[in-house]
Amino acid sequence: AQTVTQSQPEMSVQEAETVTLSCTYDTSENNYYLFWYKQPPSRQMILVIRQEAYKQQNATENRFSVNFQKAAKSFSLKISDSQLGDTAMYFCAFTLDYGGSQGNLIFGKGTKLSVKP
Amino acid sequence: DAGVTQSPTHLIKTRGQQVTLRCSPKSGHDTVSWYQQALGQGPQFIFQYYEEEERQRGNFPDRFSGHQFPNYSSELNVNALLLGDSALYLCASSLAQGLIQETQYFGPGTRLLVL
Repeated sequence: AQTVTQSQPEMSVQEAETVTLSCTYDTSENNYYLFWYKQPPSRQMILVIRQEAYKQQNATENRFSVNFQKAAKSFSLKISDSQLGDTAMYFCAFTLDYGGSQGNLIFGKGTKLSVKP
Repeated sequence: DAGVTQSPTHLIKTRGQQVTLRCSPKSGHDTVSWYQQALGQGPQFIFQYYEEEERQRGNFPDRFSGHQFPNYSSELNVNALLLGDSALYLCASSLAQGLIQETQYFGPGTRLLVL
């Protein structure tokens, strides 16, 4: 069975600084996808970034980037130039690659990030 | 472009009752997944519908059932409600096409409180 672990229940960062959220996962499969989702207090789950396991290059989306270490089964999220609007719960998620069939997402318990002015 | 919509936004029921939650997928999407998110936890997968059939199911009892309509919208039904069913229920939609693994996009959720 696949599992996702987020070891940091809460984190805080000063506005404009950089913060890294940690995520580890466990699977015996080789083909899968990893995601970071953001859930603000409004509760809408928003996709932040996605990484295909077969790609060695780390994904980036503007101020958000990941450090994907496949051998270590680690998938951390770096937020640069933190903004007040980044305050939210951040969930790391995993899904197997069924070759086109969308698998179910397995989520970690989340990290509550607070950006302070 | 309309995103994923869910109704109602909030719902209060008593133990033993039945509830139906609704979801309309993002325009162009054909697959709907349902998740239960207890307070302070990550979402847990309930089931997924594609082509009007349940394609995958998580570890939830038969009290949880669903349906997908020809227009790809979906319903989640929960019978014999328990206090532990109180949670945020999230719907996510995606498009199944070829060999491309499409991302799931989430709706705002329905907050269910069972008294």
